[in-house]
Amino acid sequence: QLQLQESGPGLAKPSETLSLTCSVSGDSLSRSTYYWDWIRQSPGKGLEWIGTMYSGGNTYTNLSLKSRASISVDTSKNQFSLELRSVTAADTAVYHCARHSARGWQGDLEYWGRGILVTVSS
Amino acid sequence: VLTQSPDFQSVSPKEKVTITCRASQSIGNSLHWYQQKPDQSPKLIMKFASQSISGVPSRFSGSGSGTDFTLTINSPEPEDAATYFCHQSSSLPLTFGGGTKVEIK
Repeated sequence: QLQLQESGPGLAKPSETLSLTCSVSGDSLSRSTYYWDWIRQSPGKGLEWIGTMYSGGNTYTNLSLKSRASISVDTSKNQFSLELRSVTAADTAVYHCARHSARGWQGDLEYWGRGILVTVSS
Repeated sequence: VLTQSPDFQSVSPKEKVTITCRASQSIGNSLHWYQQKPDQSPKLIMKFASQSISGVPSRFSGSGSGTDFTLTINSPEPEDAATYFCHQSSSLPLTFGGGTKVEIK
C-alpha cells in the first residue's frame, strides 16, 4: 500500500524559504511512471494546487505562485520536495503531497499524505 | 474555475445528497470527487465523473460531462458526514471546487 508522509518545519518567518519533503513508501520514485503533486489547503482559499512532477524530469507549477515554487526529487531517499520562496502569511496552510493514478497529471489524485500545517509568522 | 454548490447541505438519512460542480469551460469527463473528514486527508470517491472507486459504497454515484457534474449520495449514512470537493484534471493549473459540507441529521 502506498504511503506518503510530509515533513518539515511547522513555522516559517515572512520572506524566508519554506522547504517541505514528502517521503514515499510502497513505490519507487526512480522507477515510477506516475506524477506526484503538492497541494495546500487553507481556510480562506480551500484546496490550491501548487505543482506536479514526474521523476523522469517534467515539472509544472501553478503560475499564481509567481515562480516562487519549485519541486524536486531525490530518488536515493525516495523523497520529493517543495521549496516555496519569499513566504508571507498568505502561505499559511496545510500542505499535502499526493500521487495521481494513471494518465499522468490528467488523472485523479489517488493517494494523499495526511498533510503538515505550516504557519508563516514573525 | 470550478464552482461547487451548495456550500452546506443538511439531510436526514432517508433523503438524497446532491452536490453540483460547474466548470467555466468544457472539461470533458476529467472531473473527480473527494471526501474529507476533519483532520484527515481527502479521499478519492469518484473519478472521471462517473467511474466508481473500489471500496466506496454504491450509494455514491456521479454524473455529468462538459461543464456540469453531480455527485449523489443515496440514503446517506452517518459516516458520510464530511466535506466533499470536486477537482478538474483537464488542464493546468489543476483546480478544485470550494467544497460542500454535508451534515447528516
